[in-house]
Amino acid sequence: GAGVSQSPSNKVTEKGKDVELRCDPISGHTALYWYRQRLGQGLEFLIYFQGNSAPDKSGLPSDRFSAERTGESVSTLTIQRTQQEDSAVYLCASSLEVGGTGELFFGEGSRLTVL
Amino acid sequence: DAKTTQPTSMDCAEGRAANLPCNHSTISGNEYVYWYRQIHSQGPQYIIHGLKNNETNEMASLIITEDRKSSTLILPHATLRDTAVYYCIVKSSGTYKYIFGTGTRLKVLA
Repeated sequence: GAGVSQSPSNKVTEKGKDVELRCDPISGHTALYWYRQRLGQGLEFLIYFQGNSAPDKSGLPSDRFSAERTGESVSTLTIQRTQQEDSAVYLCASSLEVGGTGELFFGEGSRLTVL
Repeated sequence: DAKTTQPTSMDCAEGRAANLPCNHSTISGNEYVYWYRQIHSQGPQYIIHGLKNNETNEMASLIITEDRKSSTLILPHATLRDTAVYYCIVKSSGTYKYIFGTGTRLKVLA
């Protein structure tokens, strides 16, 4: 597609369940970012990928969070044993390259609600 | 650890210019100023960026002070569709992380 695509757009789950959130970046974009946005707050950086590698995972809130990227394309953010505080919109963005001055292109986000 | 300071909220009358200020007093010589906006329930959208010269595109103008410690985003003729949260970010081309603060909530009034 022409833009960054995220799925699911909405996910409601029960506390303790695992969830997977998917991001399809713009074709050819080397850099891919995950952010979290809690209700009424700004964007919180989670992780970024340069190609298929993630040089900086320091933004992941806990070891329940993990992410991978394959084929320099699709990325999956996995949250294990979800907690209510994980409820947020998870935003994915891609850019042509890491660093540089190019803009980030964001998807519409995946809204996660943990009951 | 946002390096910028923005007012929490602003109102602007429809059709008038919206001037959104941003303070970045600790900006380094190689850091650019970026502006993004986030309309309700959507992902952020790039608006404009600059280093030291003023910049203009089809969406907005960016005015950066000579000492680069502050900047202003100008929407020349605000419309109701410009109601959004506007984020000012500073980042060098050598780093990867865009740090979004809490931004300015702009409300355009009819």
